[in-house]
Amino acid sequence: AQKVTQAQTEISVVEKEDVTLDCVYETRDTTYYLFWYKQPPSGELVFLIRRNSFDEQNEISGRYSWNFQKSTSSFNFTITASQVVDSAVYFCALSELETDSWGKFQFGAGTQVVVTP
Amino acid sequence: EAGVVQSPRYKIIEKKQPVAFWCNPISGHNTLYWYRQNLGQGPELLIRYENEEAVDDSQLPKDRFSAERLKGVDSTLKIQPAELGDSAVYLCASSFSGTGRGYEQYFGPGTRLTVT
Repeated sequence: AQKVTQAQTEISVVEKEDVTLDCVYETRDTTYYLFWYKQPPSGELVFLIRRNSFDEQNEISGRYSWNFQKSTSSFNFTITASQVVDSAVYFCALSELETDSWGKFQFGAGTQVVVTP
Repeated sequence: EAGVVQSPRYKIIEKKQPVAFWCNPISGHNTLYWYRQNLGQGPELLIRYENEEAVDDSQLPKDRFSAERLKGVDSTLKIQPAELGDSAVYLCASSFSGTGRGYEQYFGPGTRLTVT
């Protein structure tokens, strides 16, 4: 069963628009980590953020912000004032620490973000 | 600090031929991962090493895939013989997994394999 769902396959925006990427996860663990990665056309996945299950405080880093809501099992990512350089595939991932699969990342299918000038 | 190094970046082979990928993780990272990423999908774990030990190889197709990490540093992933369905990007990642499990993984640029 898919544990990380990124329902949006592709999002196209014009530069300076905001874009929000959805991530819904499924786990029975109470202790887990959530991650976001960016994969630009060059192919290398770039780590953006890690959030543990006990920290629901939202986070802002420059133009990036993350909204973690355990009640809805969601960890959404917003890019404010998008730029062409934000064009990439963004992946959400889950790491469960209590089950046998601890340390294993479950990636979503990714969301392609296309920012046009 | 150098990132995760992988080679080659691209490889084209005919089916039934063998192929090998090499990975050098970030210095000090004791955990190493091999992933396969098919087009339009997220990475899927093939094998995970803690130092020299393969602690999770449940997703590795052992009839044709093999991996090793002899000295607990760099690693090699091999496919023999390759099949058309093996065409994908093979990603290596590393992390430091101490008492706080779940540390972020750092990825290499990947090897794009095309089997013809």
